[in-house]
Amino acid sequence: EDQVTQSPEALRLQEGESSSLNCSYTVSGLRGLFWYRQDPGKGPEFLFTLYSAGEEKEKERLKATLTKKESFLHITAPKPEDSATYLCAVQADWTTDSWGKLQFGAGTQVVVTP
Amino acid sequence: NAGVTQTPKFQVLKTGQSMTLQCAQDMNHEYMSWYRQDPGMGLRLIHYSVGAGITDQGEVPNGYNVSRSTTEDFPLRLLSAAPSQTSVYFCASSYTTGSGELFFGEGSRLTVL
Repeated sequence: EDQVTQSPEALRLQEGESSSLNCSYTVSGLRGLFWYRQDPGKGPEFLFTLYSAGEEKEKERLKATLTKKESFLHITAPKPEDSATYLCAVQADWTTDSWGKLQFGAGTQVVVTP
Repeated sequence: NAGVTQTPKFQVLKTGQSMTLQCAQDMNHEYMSWYRQDPGMGLRLIHYSVGAGITDQGEVPNGYNVSRSTTEDFPLRLLSAAPSQTSVYFCASSYTTGSGELFFGEGSRLTVL
């Protein structure tokens, strides 16, 4: 069964204090790993797709990386507007019954204080 | 550009009542889906559709019904509400089936007393 575990559950940062969020996963065959951002009272918003180990994607202060067992979301010099819950999801490839469906982790709630 | 629109945003039901959560998208997306989000748990797939007239069950389908008569609309019906269905419900769509880039609505918060 596909599983996605995110850690830590919550993270409190000072503005400018860089940190990393972890997403560990087990899936029979990985088609893709996805990061989303969710603001309070809103739906998740897509950030990145990673397809293979060693791949990296960047957007402003966020950088996502992927290994065969986990992904990291690095937040460099965060600002208060980076406060949100960050969700990770995996998608199995066509060889599995769950092909096409996303399995989400519970998320990491990030609070950045001025 | 509306994207994915869900109604209502908030709803309170009594146990045993039925209701429909509405979802509409204006992006001509092939794939539509419903998720529920509960504290400490990831988003869980309820039902999904890969095109008009085609629906299938997700991870937690019991107590819910869906239909897809048009490309744009994908309503979720609660047949006989139970307190365990208290949750935040999200509708999401993507251009093609199998795309991991989902576009989400703003959510519908449902409380069942």
